[in-house]
Amino acid sequence: QKEVEQNSGPLSVPEGAIASLNCTYSDRGSQSFFWYRQYSGKSPELIMFIYSNGDKEDGRFTAQLNKASQYVSLLIRDSQPSDSATYLCAVTGDYKLSFGAGTTVTVRA
Amino acid sequence: GAVVSQHPSRVICKSGTSVKIECRSLDFQATTMFWYRQFPKQSLMLMATSNEGSKATYEQGVEKDKFLINHASLTLSTLTVTSAHPEDSSFYICSAREGRRSTEAFFGQGTRLTVV
Repeated sequence: QKEVEQNSGPLSVPEGAIASLNCTYSDRGSQSFFWYRQYSGKSPELIMFIYSNGDKEDGRFTAQLNKASQYVSLLIRDSQPSDSATYLCAVTGDYKLSFGAGTTVTVRA
Repeated sequence: GAVVSQHPSRVICKSGTSVKIECRSLDFQATTMFWYRQFPKQSLMLMATSNEGSKATYEQGVEKDKFLINHASLTLSTLTVTSAHPEDSSFYICSAREGRRSTEAFFGQGTRLTVV
C-alpha cells in the first residue's frame, strides 16, 4: 500500500472554476501535511502546509485536513491558467517527507 | 522562505563517468538534507537523508556505493553519481531543513542528469 495517494488526474477545469485535489495517507502518526506545486522541469515549490484538523486558507488556496479520515485536500479557487501544474501532496511524521504521485491540473482559458 | 541553491541545473555525461551535484543552503544552516530522484511523470522518490557530520541514511534499494553523499558542513551537501549509466538519467532534487525540529523543507532547483 502506498503511503500517500492522490487522485491521479489529469484534472481539467475552466478558468475561474474551483479545482479540488484530494490526498489520503496511511500513517496515522503523520503530523505535518504539505501541498507543493511543480511545473514541468522544475523543482517543487511549497504552496501550503497544515498541521491541525480543519481548514486553512491562503489567498485562493484552501487546505483541509481530517486526521480521523487520514485525508487532506487542496482547493484552488478562481483557477488561472498559471495554476496549470502538477500538485504534490506530502506527509511527514518523522523527518522524512513522503510524496504522493501528484495530480496534474490543467486550467482551460 | 529560505533559499537552497543546487548546481548544476543540467549535466550531460558519458556512460561510466562520475557526476557531482552540489546543494547549498544560502541563508540558513541545514542540519538535514534530503536527496530525491524523479523520473518522468512520477513523484519524488527519496534516495537518502544526510545529517551534517554523519553518514547518510539511504533508502531501501538505493546503492550507497553508487550514490555518494557528503554533508561536510551545515550549508553544503553533495551527491556524486559514480560510474553513471543511462538508467541513472533522471531529475535529481535536494531539499534542506533548518534545525532538527523543523518540518518544512526547502527545495533546490533540481539537476537534470542525462547519461549518454
